Amino acid sequence: ELKVEQNPLFLSMQEGKNYTIYCNYSTTSDRLYWYRQDPGKSLESLFVLLSNGAVKQEGRLMASLDTKARLSTLHITAAVHDLSATYFCAGSRGGGSEKLVFGKGTKLTVNP
Amino acid sequence: NAGVTQTPKFRILKIGQSMTLQCTQDMNHNYMYWYRQDPGMGLKLIYYSVGAGITDKGEVPNGYNVSRSTTEDFPLRLELAAPSQTSVYFCASSPRGEDSYEQYFGPGTRLTVT
Repeated sequence: ELKVEQNPLFLSMQEGKNYTIYCNYSTTSDRLYWYRQDPGKSLESLFVLLSNGAVKQEGRLMASLDTKARLSTLHITAAVHDLSATYFCAGSRGGGSEKLVFGKGTKLTVNP
Repeated sequence: NAGVTQTPKFRILKIGQSMTLQCTQDMNHNYMYWYRQDPGMGLKLIYYSVGAGITDKGEVPNGYNVSRSTTEDFPLRLELAAPSQTSVYFCASSPRGEDSYEQYFGPGTRLTVT
């Protein structure tokens, strides 16, 4: 059974600093997803990582996947207040139907 | 394109009542999903569908039913509502093509059962 764990669950950081959110998963996952959720809002897709060694970047966010270590990371560079949100990673149980298993989320607060 | 739409946005139910949460997508996606999100938690899959007429259970299907008579619509039915079903419900759809794994989420329905 696929389990997904994120850490930290809460992260408070200053603007301009760098930090990394970690996502570990327990068994083989076909793909690894990162989503952003603002308070009271829906989920916004950030990245879909398809294979070992995959790296994707968008603005100040960069995601990577190491399938051998069963680890994905979301790196934040020079954080700005607008990045404050909850970030979820999700693994895929696959089988052709892409059933996602989510972590509990990391609530990121970027302070001026 | 409206994307994925859900109605209602909010609902309060009494214990034992029933209701249907509506979900419609206009992107001609084959795959559709229902998730619930409890406070401070990630989403959990309730049911999913890989096409019209085909549905299957996810992680937490008890207390819910679904149907998929058209590509566009995927309603979620709650029978005999219980306080444990208080949650935010998200519908999602995906094209699930060769390189299309992304799931597009609707705005959510916030349900309270008292």
